[in-house]
Amino acid sequence: QKEVEQDPGPLSVPEGAIVSLNCTYSNSAFQYFMWYRQYSRKGPELLMYTYSSGNKEDGRFTAQVDKSSKYISLFIRDSQPSDSATYLCAMSTSYNFNKFYFGSGTKLNVKP
Amino acid sequence: DAMVIQNPRYQVTQFGKPVTLSCSQTLNHNVMYWYQQKSSQAPKLLFHYYDKDFNNEADTPDNFQSRRPNTSFCFLDIRSPGLGDTAMYLCATVTSEKGSYNEQFFGPGTRLTVL
Repeated sequence: QKEVEQDPGPLSVPEGAIVSLNCTYSNSAFQYFMWYRQYSRKGPELLMYTYSSGNKEDGRFTAQVDKSSKYISLFIRDSQPSDSATYLCAMSTSYNFNKFYFGSGTKLNVKP
Repeated sequence: DAMVIQNPRYQVTQFGKPVTLSCSQTLNHNVMYWYQQKSSQAPKLLFHYYDKDFNNEADTPDNFQSRRPNTSFCFLDIRSPGLGDTAMYLCATVTSEKGSYNEQFFGPGTRLTVL
């Protein structure tokens, strides 16, 4: 079983839709949760990070962590064609915070 | 702007011909990583350096080696590339300074093709 599972998609939505991206994990020691956006043939860029449980909002993006269910989500409001990319979740523990565990990414396509 | 730079961006090599990929950073981060990412897969950690301490993942093939001559530079050497080594190679950095260590910055990647 992989430590981090992510639906590969692709997910295709019309412009303006609310997008929900999700990851599940098996290691209850994960405390730090990150979302990266990766455009085609580019390196990942950090979008958001959260510590432990709860919500965090940044503009059109909201990250949610539910540690009891081992489930994290990224919501994108008013999605734009420029949001079309692969979204990777990543996690780390507090005792080995240098090591990051990645999901395989969900490919999102926002249609104009 | 502070950043992570990788060279070359694209590399084509022949089966068995050694290749070296380079990474430099202006962020002054003390932790540097090399990942391998194949199409539609998660980045797979190959190595990381915590300051000068080298950490090799257990499943990283012996064919892959790394050097970090100073804080700013890191190299990935593939001694005898096989067809299965065709992938994107990503360099990333992190600072272990408290409060920032979960912010990993990636370079643009080197796309390696082995023929």
